Amino acid sequence: KQEVTQIPAALSVPEGENLVLNCSFTDSAIYNLQWFRQDPGKGLTSLLLIQSSQREQTSGRLNASLDKSSGRSTLYIAASQPGDSATYLCAGTGNQFYFGTGTSLTVIP
Amino acid sequence: DAGVTQSPTHLIKTRGQQVTLRCSPKSGHDTVSWYQQALGQGPQFIFQYYEEEERQRGNFPDRFSGHQFPNYSSELNVNALLLGDSALYLCASSLSGTRSRQYFGPGTRLTVT
Repeated sequence: KQEVTQIPAALSVPEGENLVLNCSFTDSAIYNLQWFRQDPGKGLTSLLLIQSSQREQTSGRLNASLDKSSGRSTLYIAASQPGDSATYLCAGTGNQFYFGTGTSLTVIP
Repeated sequence: DAGVTQSPTHLIKTRGQQVTLRCSPKSGHDTVSWYQQALGQGPQFIFQYYEEEERQRGNFPDRFSGHQFPNYSSELNVNALLLGDSALYLCASSLSGTRSRQYFGPGTRLTVT
């Protein structure tokens, strides 16, 4: 069974700082990896999708990388803003969709 | 272009009752997946429907059942509700399975008392 772990569980940074969120998975046989953002009590917003044949994807200030051999993905957020405060979840897709427990990010103005 | 919609937004039920949650996928999507998210946890996969059939199922008891209609909308049914079923239930749609990007609805908050 796929296990997805996210470290750290919580992170607090001052506005403007660059930061990295980590995601690790136990089964390298994934089709893709997706990063989501979730605001309190809300649904999930898809941020980036990396196919298994890709190494990274970029969207604006976000960059996600995938290393299947080591079972790791990272989400890099540049020049963080208070509006980035949310929980960030990664999910790996095999036959199912396996989520990590998320990293709660707070960006302090 | 409407995204994924879910109804109702909130629901309060009593132990032992039955509940039906509804989901309409994003336009053009044919696959619907359901997830349960307990407070402070990541979503847990319940099952996925494609072409009106359950294609994949997570580790949930038979009290959880579903249906997909010809227009690709879907229902999640939970029988004999337990206190532990209280959670945010999320629906996601995609095109032809889990290998494509999943788009999530806002969720239904179920409280069992």
